Amino acid sequence: NAGVTQTPKFRVLKTGQSMTLLCAQDMNHEYMYWYRQDPGMGLRLIHYSVGEGTTAKGEVPDGYNVSRLKKQNFLLGLESAAPSQTSVYFCASSRGHGGANVLTFGAGSRLTVL
Amino acid sequence: SQQGEEDPQALSIQEGENATMNCSYKTSINNLQWYRQNSGRGLVHLILIRSNEREKHSGRLRVTLDTSKKSSSLLITASRAADTASYFCATDAFSGGSNYKLTFGKGTLLTVNP
Repeated sequence: NAGVTQTPKFRVLKTGQSMTLLCAQDMNHEYMYWYRQDPGMGLRLIHYSVGEGTTAKGEVPDGYNVSRLKKQNFLLGLESAAPSQTSVYFCASSRGHGGANVLTFGAGSRLTVL
Repeated sequence: SQQGEEDPQALSIQEGENATMNCSYKTSINNLQWYRQNSGRGLVHLILIRSNEREKHSGRLRVTLDTSKKSSSLLITASRAADTASYFCATDAFSGGSNYKLTFGKGTLLTVNP
């Protein structure tokens, strides 16, 4: 059982380049999330999805776009990367939505923007 | 802004000792969760405690919740080197209607020395 898989694991971009991070889950979870983790900042929610075809903004959505065309996949896009987007990105999924639902996280994608 | 804040930021103990980490939060919650993150990996769920519960156990883990003080503690007994990781609390907060947010603290880095 793979759980939540993120690709790529590492990526280096130049300022202004675009890229997409892919998250795939095999647990048939309805809800999926993208977080970023920065030193001293903890995890901050970028965008989330409550089901196939739906997305919503989180705490720090600016500069990112997302899509959930298939239930098992949640894509995070950076249209024009900036050094401030250098971070470790985590995807997570949960069966339900709410504080009683446990999140399953991927291993993370480390992005460096030069 | 962070809902949950862990204390201390870092903790170093010897193998076999107990480790206690605290989490304080600002607004009322329904549930509080603790997660562990090993270096370079994703977060892994440890335990969930509901607002009407005062204490919960899972193996060597003991979590307490004091809603009057808006705080929780995570106790790891008889620590092992493999417990070396960052520990995060996550609290839920409703922002109106069915809008919900799970907020993570900045974490406590626990180092268990052999």
